[in-house]
Amino acid sequence: DIVMTQSPDSLAASLGERATINCKSSQSLLYGSNRRNYIAWYQQKPRQPPRLLIYWASTRESGVPERFSGSGSGTDFTLTITSLQAEDVATYYCQQYLDTPNNFGQGTKLEIK
Amino acid sequence: QVQLKESGPGLVKPSETLSLTCNVSGYSINNGYCWGWVRQPPGRGLEYIGSLYFTGNTYYNSSLKSRVTISVDSSKNLLSLSLRSVAASDSAMYYCGRQQAVGVPGPFDQWGPGTLVTVSS
Repeated sequence: DIVMTQSPDSLAASLGERATINCKSSQSLLYGSNRRNYIAWYQQKPRQPPRLLIYWASTRESGVPERFSGSGSGTDFTLTITSLQAEDVATYYCQQYLDTPNNFGQGTKLEIK
Repeated sequence: QVQLKESGPGLVKPSETLSLTCNVSGYSINNGYCWGWVRQPPGRGLEYIGSLYFTGNTYYNSSLKSRVTISVDSSKNLLSLSLRSVAASDSAMYYCGRQQAVGVPGPFDQWGPGTLVTVSS
């Protein structure tokens, strides 16, 4: 199974600042035939289901604010939130979908400092 | 606009079978996409359970594969989850979702609100 490891486990940043969350996979998520990275990022607020933010490592889902961006390739990926807003307080998860099981990272809890 | 809603018993006894359904509205399950289940124990992270591709192929988490079955009732547009021989560790919020079909089960782009299941005698 592909293991997804996020860092840090928790993060506190000030309003308007940049927040960066990392995700490392135990195997490359880059598929040679199409040169795509099979990783997605989700946001989960308390008492809500997750919400898809980013897929194919850097493609923003429709309706997701531009301050959310994804980057990386192979085994190392990053979710960046520029100009942090109060409504961004949530837990963020990465997920690989190159292979089954489509494992998630353990989550990163983002708070306002 | 596709909507999903899980339903189930809420409380299941140890060693029994957990059966959940996911009512899909606004889209026909057979028309494409992939449909899956994820669970989340209280206060913990997300765990992938499995998926049903529109072709009929199923994909399961190896840790649950011997106990889980995902199926579809096309006439009712219902997705189902069956988890046998449950234990307290199966207590969780269970989510159904729509996954992008990318040759394999892809990211979950739509989610139900979830249904809480407690395993207790």
